[in-house]
Amino acid sequence: QSALTQPASVSGSPGQSITISCTGTSSDVGGYNYVSWYQQHPGKAPKLMIYEVTNRPSGVSNRFSGSKSGNTASLTISGLQADDEADYYCSSYTSKSTVVFGGGTKLTVL
Amino acid sequence: QITLKESGPTLVKPTQTLTLTCTFSGFSLTTRGVGVAWIRQPPGKALEWLALIYWDDDKRYSPSLKSRLTITKDTSKNQVVLTMTNMDPVDTATYYCAHHRGNVDLDYFYGMDVWGLGTTVTVSS
Repeated sequence: QSALTQPASVSGSPGQSITISCTGTSSDVGGYNYVSWYQQHPGKAPKLMIYEVTNRPSGVSNRFSGSKSGNTASLTISGLQADDEADYYCSSYTSKSTVVFGGGTKLTVL
Repeated sequence: QITLKESGPTLVKPTQTLTLTCTFSGFSLTTRGVGVAWIRQPPGKALEWLALIYWDDDKRYSPSLKSRLTITKDTSKNQVVLTMTNMDPVDTATYYCAHHRGNVDLDYFYGMDVWGLGTTVTVSS
């Protein structure tokens, strides 16, 4: 299985909104509503931010939202804050009953 | 409160077998819908999903590493063990275990909602 495709980097100014895309195939992202997003600060373990495409775990800010269209899922962060600067990874369930991650996106808050 | 902690050798030689243990608390691996996954991250690189074991002992492996991986659980000890054979320097990474919630057959699949801090493994002679 190939890794999901994410942009290597995105950036935005405080208060702005940004969107990170995650492109797969009909065998993963497009075939199931089981896409998750993770935030990882340097030297830290990843943190689940979105599950099942659009759902936020308890405690995650509503500035984080997820969506999906066809084979591409997206994570949108509104009202950017300095602490949002981190790496973001998408993941998806696959037709082989496994999980695949994206290549990761580095978010820079200018 | 769910917690997980990875343990194992920090240094292994090429061709050796790596054995990592995930010791957890705050949940039972006999609860329907629960699993424990292993994920790794080479220095400066992306996360890579390795394996997952479910409450019912169903096991799933990364297709690219399937021949080298074995995942097992000991519910009495609250531990999950991952073995990886024939280690190579490219396997140098931080290895994480994580609590997994959901199963497609149960119509929900949250993913890995609680992670351990990770353990660093270096493969070198």
